[in-house]
Amino acid sequence: DADVTQTPRNRITKTGKRIMLECSQTKGHDRMYWYRQDPGLGLRLIYYSFDVKDINKGEISDGYSVSRQAQAKFSLSLESAIPNQTALYFCATSDPASGRAYEQYFGPGTRLTVT
Amino acid sequence: AQSVTQLDSQVPVFEEAPVELRCNYSSSVSVYLFWYVQYPNQGLQLLLKYLSGSTLVKGINGFEAEFNKSQTSFHLRKPSVHISDTAEYFCAVSEDTGTASKLTFGTGTRLQVTL
Repeated sequence: DADVTQTPRNRITKTGKRIMLECSQTKGHDRMYWYRQDPGLGLRLIYYSFDVKDINKGEISDGYSVSRQAQAKFSLSLESAIPNQTALYFCATSDPASGRAYEQYFGPGTRLTVT
Repeated sequence: AQSVTQLDSQVPVFEEAPVELRCNYSSSVSVYLFWYVQYPNQGLQLLLKYLSGSTLVKGINGFEAEFNKSQTSFHLRKPSVHISDTAEYFCAVSEDTGTASKLTFGTGTRLQVTL
């Protein structure tokens, strides 16, 4: 079984709809991240969480919100989806207790299309 | 703030030929450097990393990279590529601030290997 899972893997939604992307991990890592990937732009950080009570904005947080329900779960919400939020979304984790907080492990991604 | 530049968006190469994917970074402090690979329809996988010590680092699948502090570069190389190396490659940097774990990614280089 994959250590970092994302649901759904693909989603098509309409402009103005609320949508939630979910991420779960079995690695026991404290830190979790949400990125979006756009062609020609690489990956950009949306939000990150160092533990359940610590959530921080990344470079492109506008239009997004997150919830860290437990150590293992980190959800990304689009309150009112717009077409330019069409992208591939990745969740990642890292483990500062290992001394390698910089080493991130990625989920398989969620392809979101907003029409 | 840190930044990463991958000048080549696409690199076509014939099978068994050598390849170099270029990466330059900018940071005001010491950094950790990474190369990630993304195979079609998959998440990101860590290829190799530079933390400290030897400037030549070896990764999986026969790839290696050399850290050059004076030129602020971390180019990825492979002496002989295979069709299966076709993928997108991302260079990333994390600042060494003790608890650092935020990654800044380059825009990616698509390596296309053909017969």
